[in-house]
Amino acid sequence: NAGVMQNPRHLVRRRGQEARLRCSPMKGHSHVYWYRQLPEEGLKFMVYLQKENIIDESGMPKERFSAEFPKEGPSILRIQQVVRGDSAAYFCASSSGTGRPSTNYGYTFGSGTRLTVV
Amino acid sequence: AQSVTQLGSHVSVSEGALVLLRCNYSSSVPPYLFWYVQYPNQGLQLLLKYTSAATLVKGINGFEAEFKKSETSFHLTKPSAHMSDAAEYFCAVRVIFGNEKLTFGTGTRLTIIP
Repeated sequence: NAGVMQNPRHLVRRRGQEARLRCSPMKGHSHVYWYRQLPEEGLKFMVYLQKENIIDESGMPKERFSAEFPKEGPSILRIQQVVRGDSAAYFCASSSGTGRPSTNYGYTFGSGTRLTVV
Repeated sequence: AQSVTQLGSHVSVSEGALVLLRCNYSSSVPPYLFWYVQYPNQGLQLLLKYTSAATLVKGINGFEAEFKKSETSFHLTKPSAHMSDAAEYFCAVRVIFGNEKLTFGTGTRLTIIP
C-alpha cells in the first residue's frame, strides 16, 4: 500500500532548462496539493488539483510554473526556464478530498523532490 | 484568511527535559490545526491534529497539544525529550469546510542536548 510517491528525489537543472516533477497520489486519492519549501522556510501552498481540473492555483507564480493532473498518470509540476531562485524542495500531498470533518484531515505528504538549479 | 506563528525558530532542550514548541494561529472561522515533523531530507509526517473534538490531543511519539481558543494557541509538548526528537516541527492550520489547503508556520528546529 504505497504512499504518495514523488520522483525524482533529487533533480539538478541548469538555468534556463525545464524541470518536471511527478507525484503519484495514494491509491484511491483524487486530490493533489503541491507545496514549495524554500531553504530555512516553511511550506508554501502552490496549487490544488483534482483529476483534470485545477481547483486553486492562488500560490503559483504567474509565469513559468504550471501543473496538471491528467485522468491517467501522475500529477506533474512543470517549471520552465528555471532560475536559481527556484531551488527548493517541492512536496506533494494527496487526499480523498471529500472535505467533510468526518473524513480526511492532515493528508499524506510525499518525500519531496529537491530541485537544485546551477 | 488564516495564519500561523511559531515562536522561536530554534529550541534546545536537554535529553529528558520538557519539550514545549509554541504555535499561535489566526483564523476568521473555526480551524483545524496540525503539527508535522520533518527529519532531515525527508517529507512531513503528521504528529497530531485538532479537529474540533477534544481540546487535548495526543499524537505519536509521546507528543501532545492543547487547543486553547481564548489564547488562539496550539502548543506542542512532550514530557521527556529523546535524542530521536531532534527535527524540524511545523504547525499548520486550515479551515473546517472547503479547500483542504494548509497554511504552515515557518517551523521550529528542535535540538536535543545529551
